[in-house]
Amino acid sequence: GQSLEQPSEVTAVEGAIVQINCTYQTSGFYGLSWYQQHDGGAPTFLSYNALDGLEETGRFSSFLSRSDSYGYLLLQELQMKDSASYFCAVRVRGDGATNKLIFGTGTLLAVQP
Amino acid sequence: ETGVTQTPRHLVMGMTNKKSLKCEQHLGHNAMYWYKQSAKKPLELMFVYSLEERVENNSVPSRFSPECPNSSHLFLHLHTLQPEDSALYLCASSPRGAEAEQYFGPGTRLTVT
Repeated sequence: GQSLEQPSEVTAVEGAIVQINCTYQTSGFYGLSWYQQHDGGAPTFLSYNALDGLEETGRFSSFLSRSDSYGYLLLQELQMKDSASYFCAVRVRGDGATNKLIFGTGTLLAVQP
Repeated sequence: ETGVTQTPRHLVMGMTNKKSLKCEQHLGHNAMYWYKQSAKKPLELMFVYSLEERVENNSVPSRFSPECPNSSHLFLHLHTLQPEDSALYLCASSPRGAEAEQYFGPGTRLTVT
């Protein structure tokens, strides 16, 4: 089966750096995505790693180690608006020619002043 | 036009009712998805359509019936639901082959009484 693990909650202060880890056990793995969801809002795409290494997009970076079945999302210079839930999702082989995402349970990030 | 829209935003229905959820995407994508999001649970993939053909059905009960009449529209027909079906139902779309980066609608908050 497919399983993903990420911490349920993380708390940090404004201006700090926070890392949200994600470990996974899957078959047919193609890559790892990260999504942000504010309370009452729709999930929005943040990043995708298909290869090992670090991808940087502004204040956010994402890392993948395929050999360790592990990835993380790094948020720098935290702002109050970063308070949200963050989901990792593995892209895996689907039933047909289309692949699919399997989501983790999400990490609730609370940024404090 | 907002990328992915969903109607209605909120729905309350009895267990014997029949209702439909609608999703429309204005992004030119050709893959569409239905997800269920319950409290304290990961997003659960329900159905995947690619080029208007259903390619994934994740063991969803038959009381949920999807329909994809064209690449821009996706419906979820509901009948004889159970209280445990109460959840946020999210629609998403992506280009075919780019499942890692999905664009989500705001969701329909469904309450079954």
